[in-house]
Amino acid sequence: NAGVTQTPKFQVLKTGQSMTLQCAQDMNHNSMYWYRQDPGMGLRLIYYSASEGTTDKGEVPNGYNVSRLNKREFSLRLESAAPSQTSVYFCASSEAGPPLGEQYFGPGTRLTVT
Amino acid sequence: AQKITQTQPGMFVQEKEAVTLDCTYDTSDQSYGLFWYKQPSSGEMIFLIYQGSYDEQNATEGRYSLNFQKARKSANLVISASQLGDSAMYFCAMRGPRDDKIIFGKGTRLHILP
Repeated sequence: NAGVTQTPKFQVLKTGQSMTLQCAQDMNHNSMYWYRQDPGMGLRLIYYSASEGTTDKGEVPNGYNVSRLNKREFSLRLESAAPSQTSVYFCASSEAGPPLGEQYFGPGTRLTVT
Repeated sequence: AQKITQTQPGMFVQEKEAVTLDCTYDTSDQSYGLFWYKQPSSGEMIFLIYQGSYDEQNATEGRYSLNFQKARKSANLVISASQLGDSAMYFCAMRGPRDDKIIFGKGTRLHILP
């Protein structure tokens, strides 16, 4: 049982380049999330998807887009990377709807934008 | 606005002692969930314990218990009989009635001394 998987694990981009972070879960969860974690900060929610076909903004959505491709997959796209987007990105999923239910996290993607 | 406050940036505790990590929260919602996650130096996020706002009893999971004081809006994590493997960053989080209200505290770094 793989849980939540993310690719890639590490990425270096130049300012202005684009890339897509991939996330997949095999737990049949309805809800999926993208967070970023910066030094000295907790996790901040970028976007979430309460169910297949729906996506909503979180606390820090600017500069990002998401796609809920199907129930398993939720991708995060940076159209024009900026140094301020240097961070560790976590994908998560949850079985239960809010406010219940813990989140299961992927291993993270460490992104550096130069 | 929702808010999570963890006032202890770092703690040093002797092995086998009990540890209390503080978390206070602020919300106007009646229904919410409170969570604790552990992040070891390897970087993954591990769910520890959950408390619902309507739960009358404090949650317990093995060596972890959540000291929930609703009137004081506090949700402290208690780790009994600490072990060296407990050294990690610990995050308190809250999930409101909608997932755009998921927020994390800035964390407490716990060091267990042999």
